[in-house]
Amino acid sequence: EPEVTQTPSHQVTQMGQEVILRCVPISNHLYFYWYRQILGQKVEFLVSFYNNEISEKSEIFDDQFSVERPDGSNFTLKIRSTKLEDSAMYFCASSEGAGGKSSNQPQHFGDGTRLSIL
Amino acid sequence: AQKVTQAQTEISVVEKEDVTLDCVYETRDTTYYLFWYKQPPSGELVFLIRRNSFDEQNEISGRYSWNFQKSTSSFNFTITASQVVDSAVYFCALSEAGGSASKIIFGSGTRLSIRP
Repeated sequence: EPEVTQTPSHQVTQMGQEVILRCVPISNHLYFYWYRQILGQKVEFLVSFYNNEISEKSEIFDDQFSVERPDGSNFTLKIRSTKLEDSAMYFCASSEGAGGKSSNQPQHFGDGTRLSIL
Repeated sequence: AQKVTQAQTEISVVEKEDVTLDCVYETRDTTYYLFWYKQPPSGELVFLIRRNSFDEQNEISGRYSWNFQKSTSSFNFTITASQVVDSAVYFCALSEAGGSASKIIFGSGTRLSIRP
């Protein structure tokens, strides 16, 4: 069964450094998402992306964050200048989205990238 | 506004007991989707079920069953004859059907511990 792939599984970065988290969504999917889970807390929506632009973003997704689909297969989340509070598990998800409504199709989650900011 | 409430922060039962995880949701939409995910200690999110708002039929899958009641805005999850491998954090979640890319709103999770 096709799956969403995230790399690396664990990223350790010094505070203030830029970090890029990578995701390879399922190949025929059109909608892409990033979520964050701070240790011991709930999973929180960050951003959704469709047709090469952001569809929706949460208040967490400030100017420090950006997303990009640089080619036909990757979907990346960049944090420009990391802070200690960015330490979390970051999940990528994708969905097929028939008929322009992504919620008609289930989101498939990757296994996550654990980001540790020192 | 969308909201998912899982009032039970932690539950601990002895193996083979039945256990029910509660979930209450809020949404203004008439069309929406409800989910349950399992998060084992390894950290990944394991999809368990998705239910749309027009389908109130209860569902059973092996030892798992789900009770969806629109009248009380609840979507409870029962594990029958629990096993140690069921130990995990379980998240209930909601997605509204409006918009082209619908985010999932998660509850705060219930940590389930099954003791041998």
